[in-house]
Amino acid sequence: GQQVMQIPQYQHVQEGEDFTTYCNSSTTLSNIQWYKQRPGGHPVFLIQLVKSGEVKKQKRLTFQFGEAKKNSSLHITATQTTDVGTYFCAVSNDYKLSFGAGTTVTVRA
Amino acid sequence: NAGVTQTPKFQVLKTGQSMTLQCAQDMNHNSMYWYRQDPGMGLRLIYYSASEGTTDKGEVPNGYNVSRLNKREFSLRLESAAPSQTSVYFCASSEAVGLNTEAFFGQGTRLTVV
Repeated sequence: GQQVMQIPQYQHVQEGEDFTTYCNSSTTLSNIQWYKQRPGGHPVFLIQLVKSGEVKKQKRLTFQFGEAKKNSSLHITATQTTDVGTYFCAVSNDYKLSFGAGTTVTVRA
Repeated sequence: NAGVTQTPKFQVLKTGQSMTLQCAQDMNHNSMYWYRQDPGMGLRLIYYSASEGTTDKGEVPNGYNVSRLNKREFSLRLESAAPSQTSVYFCASSEAVGLNTEAFFGQGTRLTVV
């Protein structure tokens, strides 16, 4: 089965608000990746985290890898309609790339 | 630079028919992957190929076969299609060397089995 669990499955956000989506594992991860898939599109790589406690920012998106390397989060500030889509976390292990079930984000204007 | 190219984009099959989904990448990547995407299930790994000449089962391999024809091409075959295989199929590739594990995806194949 899938190695990582993502919560929530759905996130309905008012435009301008912030939200966070989480990715959790029962085992220690060597790395974690985040992807975004727009409706009708294909997944597109956003970022990779490797180090314990690592924090990376991309404009309004902040990605964090937990100290124990068992969880990760994606925080989006001031949500815009362009943020609509499904956000996946993924883990790479021995050339095998496995994805979580994703968080689907909708935005109310 | 085309990236990852999948064919066909859409396909309708009758139960029991067979077909092959084609995937090719022009980035000289070592690893290639086939996923299926169903509502609420995310991306589930069917098969992957760590390098030319090798293939391994993923999470949901039953009913599928794959061929890593060369470094560029990785095909997925349904020998006897079933309605449960109705899904969107994505091919992806990755350099998969050291920390370079970013995956690039094709546009997807929407398959309906009736």
